[in-house]
Amino acid sequence: DSGVTQTPKHLITATGQRVTLRCSPRSGDLSVYWYQQSLDQGLQFLIQYYNGEERAKGNILERFSAQQFPDLHSELNLSSLELGDSALYFCASSLDRGRGYTFGSGTRLTVV
Amino acid sequence: GENVEQHPSTLSVQEGDSAVIKCTYSDSASNYFPWYKQELGKRPQLIIDIRSNVGEKKDQRIAVTLNKTAKHFSLHITETQPEDSAVYFCAASKSSGNTGKLIFGQGTTLQVKP
Repeated sequence: DSGVTQTPKHLITATGQRVTLRCSPRSGDLSVYWYQQSLDQGLQFLIQYYNGEERAKGNILERFSAQQFPDLHSELNLSSLELGDSALYFCASSLDRGRGYTFGSGTRLTVV
Repeated sequence: GENVEQHPSTLSVQEGDSAVIKCTYSDSASNYFPWYKQELGKRPQLIIDIRSNVGEKKDQRIAVTLNKTAKHFSLHITETQPEDSAVYFCAASKSSGNTGKLIFGQGTTLQVKP
């Protein structure tokens, strides 16, 4: 157990739908990072939150949004889902600016 | 923009041989370079990292080297074992500001044949 908790582990939904992925960071970590990993693809950075504030944005689609709550857990919202959004979504947390990044086990999203 | 190129995309070696994976980064301000191992269906796990004030770091059979001038860094695995088979990712980040996001290479699938 890495200490970073992601729920749900698996999600199957239809095109056009909206889903919410949840991440609880490791105790004490202030930063949460979201990544998308498509089949045979690398880890694409989506967005980072630090202590409740957005700090960095990657190639995140406008249909996707995220937030970090006062208890530091984070949610990634994916809307108007398309087949191409099927992927593994990882969140990672760290205490200090990317060092000691620890990944959660991921949420596998399948859009049918 | 920020980019990390990783080569090769696949690597097959015999058990006991060495494996080398190379990465190049574009942002000269990058100062932290971790390597992650990802087994099939599992989360990436940190195996070794190096900071820009160090040229080489070793941990048992794994070593990482960094050439800041050329913006290259490499992972070396010696005496490979079948359990080393996995996808390996290099990454780079810079600690300026309040980000520190990791930019990952595309990954190398390492197969160690018994």
